[in-house]
Amino acid sequence: DGGITQSPKYLFRKEGQNVTLSCEQNLNHDAMYWYRQDPGQGLRLIYYSQIVNDFQKGDIAEGYSVSREKKESFPLTVTSAQKNPTAFYLCASNMGQGHQPQHFGDGTRLSIL
Amino acid sequence: SQQGEEDPQALSIQEGENATMNCSYKTSINNLQWYRQNSGRGLVHLILIRSNEREKHSGRLRVTLDTSKKSSSLLITASRAADTASYFCATDSSGSARQLTFGSGTQLTVLP
Repeated sequence: DGGITQSPKYLFRKEGQNVTLSCEQNLNHDAMYWYRQDPGQGLRLIYYSQIVNDFQKGDIAEGYSVSREKKESFPLTVTSAQKNPTAFYLCASNMGQGHQPQHFGDGTRLSIL
Repeated sequence: SQQGEEDPQALSIQEGENATMNCSYKTSINNLQWYRQNSGRGLVHLILIRSNEREKHSGRLRVTLDTSKKSSSLLITASRAADTASYFCATDSSGSARQLTFGSGTQLTVLP
């Protein structure tokens, strides 16, 4: 089955620690996205990538970093500079046009220890 | 910034009733999409309506778009307990990959 896989489902971060969230897709999609969702809120765009080896900042990129070395993979690193990282993180993909639906993974819930 | 704002924030109905959710947005759009999110899961795309369309149907879903009022509504007919979820509108303002902006959602509870 084609889809998007996010791992881990739950993640805990200690003070001063960087953590990396995995996102893999086998839909052959060109574009991939990372969103942050806080309780009772909508999604806010962190980073997006339209092509391998290229990515752009979204609305809330500070304290986060990404890479896009392979078409299938778009990992997100939450750095120690992100002072309020507790949230639900969602990865999505599509063929890269705004009129195309985005396909989502099942998310990673990040909490502070 | 939030482009779309859903109303109401929460809605509770009995099974078999219709559920209507509204979305308002601020800037001109190319299209508007509705997504569903079950608790603790990712979003699932439901329906897309383009700016030159006024109404669209998909199964028990009916979406309307009024670009003069910058608003959209999602109607779910003959609701079922399995329809319990959060529903989000998302607007595409530029046509590019980047500009899909989500609202804050309506939490729908369908009571059996």
